[in-house]
Amino acid sequence: QVQLQESGPGLVRPSQTLSLTCTVSGGSISSGSFYWSWIRQPAGKGLEWIGRFYTGGSASYNPSLKSRVTISLDTSKNQLSLKLTSVTAADTAVYYCAREETYSNYCDYWGQGTLVTVSS
Amino acid sequence: DIQMTQSPTSLSASVGDRVTITCRASQTISKYLNWYQQKPGKAPKLLIYATSSLQSGVPSRFSGSGTGTDFTLTISSPQPEDFATYYCQQTYSIPWTFGQGTKVEIK
Repeated sequence: QVQLQESGPGLVRPSQTLSLTCTVSGGSISSGSFYWSWIRQPAGKGLEWIGRFYTGGSASYNPSLKSRVTISLDTSKNQLSLKLTSVTAADTAVYYCAREETYSNYCDYWGQGTLVTVSS
Repeated sequence: DIQMTQSPTSLSASVGDRVTITCRASQTISKYLNWYQQKPGKAPKLLIYATSSLQSGVPSRFSGSGTGTDFTLTISSPQPEDFATYYCQQTYSIPWTFGQGTKVEIK
């Protein structure tokens, strides 16, 4: 059973960089054909797709965040990471990592989510 | 970006009622439509993918249909554990986008 667990600072100062890690267990992040994704949800609001990284080495990002976001894989640690630069209060949200299947592109496994607050 | 619009935004239903949620895309998305259920404080859970395929382990009272721009999630006889918020998601064109959610409450 694949499990994902997000970790990282719960508080980030405005203009700083948000950095999160997602540790995958129950399977290798580099095996199979999957995308590894980040999705966020501001409190009381809907879901926003941030982007994904393919085990083959390519990344796709939401154009609304593309200039500030980097997603990468560390296969040696079985981890996925997210970096979001120049954060503002609008980036305050619960951040989820998820596994995305490559044909129909649905997310079948999700982490529990981690709340990141941007505040001085 | 493809806009996804769900209706209604919220609804009240009794256990055993039939519940129907609609999702409309701003342009055709073929069959690339997924449905998720989310309970408070929890991650979304995949229910239906590719419009009508039931995810493993999801009860058969959930079903999906549609094509092109108009899609439907139906819960044939909602149980107490089904009262939650439901989101549709298109995976036809990046960026993937979600509907705003439909909150299903107990009447």
